Amino acid sequence: NAGVTQTPKFQVLKTGQSMTLQCAQDMNHEYMSWYRQDPGMGLRLIHYSVGAGITDQGEVPNGYNVSRSTTEDFPLRLLSAAPSQTSVYFCASRRELMNTEAFFGQGTRLTVV
Amino acid sequence: AQTVTQSQPEMSVQEAETVTLSCTYDTSESDYYLFWYKQPPSRQMILVIRQEAYKQQNATENRFSVNFQKAAKSFSLKISDSQLGDAAMYFCAYRGSYRGGSEKLVFGKGTKLTVNP
Repeated sequence: NAGVTQTPKFQVLKTGQSMTLQCAQDMNHEYMSWYRQDPGMGLRLIHYSVGAGITDQGEVPNGYNVSRSTTEDFPLRLLSAAPSQTSVYFCASRRELMNTEAFFGQGTRLTVV
Repeated sequence: AQTVTQSQPEMSVQEAETVTLSCTYDTSESDYYLFWYKQPPSRQMILVIRQEAYKQQNATENRFSVNFQKAAKSFSLKISDSQLGDAAMYFCAYRGSYRGGSEKLVFGKGTKLTVNP
């Protein structure tokens, strides 16, 4: 099982550039989400989706856009990259049942210069 | 809003000994889920153990066990017979149980565990 796959693993962007972080899962999980991890901050929720066509904002959504056209994919778009978006980004998925845990991708380290 | 506090930024333990990582949380909900995740240098987030708040029995997974004190809102992780491979950052996380508002995992800031040979 591939589980949750994120691409790329590393990325350097210039301020103002846009890009899309890819996330795909092959476990047929209904729920998918994006988190960012900053030093000393733990992980914080950016956006999440409870199924295809349904997305909602998390704790830190500004500067990011998402869509969920299929169950498998949940891309995260940076509209105009800023140095404050330098972080490690994690995609996670889980089954809809209440007592299930989230499975995480391996993360994308993004640097905005 | 729910919060999760890990008061120990760093801990160390000798190989084969036992260590306890602390976690407290704040919530007004009566039903929720608690998790401990391990993050080794590879960056991968790995679930260590989980606890459903409605269960009184403490969860156990091999050398890992929790001390869940619901009234005190405390959820500590005990690692027995520590191994070098246990060295990692450990995150405590909370998730509410209500559909639609429950997708958010709230994380603590983490505890870096060092295992000395």
